Amino acid sequence: GENVEQHPSTLSVQEGDSAVIKCTYSDSASNYFPWYKQELGKRPQLIIDIRSNVGEKKDQRIAVTLNKTAKHFSLHITETQPEDSAVYFCAASRTNDYKLSFGAGTTVTVRA
Amino acid sequence: DADVTQTPRNRITKTGKRIMLECSQTKGHDRMYWYRQDPGLGLRLIYYSFDVKDINKGEISDGYSVSRQAQAKFSLSLESAIPNQTALYFCATSDSLTPGRLFFGSGTQLSVL
Repeated sequence: GENVEQHPSTLSVQEGDSAVIKCTYSDSASNYFPWYKQELGKRPQLIIDIRSNVGEKKDQRIAVTLNKTAKHFSLHITETQPEDSAVYFCAASRTNDYKLSFGAGTTVTVRA
Repeated sequence: DADVTQTPRNRITKTGKRIMLECSQTKGHDRMYWYRQDPGLGLRLIYYSFDVKDINKGEISDGYSVSRQAQAKFSLSLESAIPNQTALYFCATSDSLTPGRLFFGSGTQLSVL
């Protein structure tokens, strides 16, 4: 099955700086890569996703990049704000079944 | 608002007890999932169902069973609870047009003593 590794496990950034979270996956047939954000005590919520036919996708201050050759993808958050503090999960799946395999999560803390 | 509702929100039980966690949704989605969340391990898939007559095992189904009573209801059972089943359990749904986009319930914190 798919194995997704996520780094770092914790990340502390100064407000206004950028944050980058990296994930690698093992199944070369995976072609769908979503990112979820989980605020403290809340449910995970999808923030952005990318398919393998696209190398980069942006939505305001967040962007995701994908390198299929190296089997890794990354989440970039620019101009971080206190409300960006949360646990972020990457995931991967094939589009024939969409059985998501999640990374272990990255706890992001934005310091004021 | 259309939502995914889990009951109970919190449950404490003893080793060997049977327990059921329930999930209902008003989103009209056909796909439903059960995940468990453990610190440092992320979210792991227990069971999933793509329609009422379809039930599939996920990566960690041992010790669990499920029932899809209707399109809107998907319950998870622990036949004989054990302490390492202590975790935060999430139900999730998605539709067939955007199946990878999961909508999670608010979670059930289960403690097995």
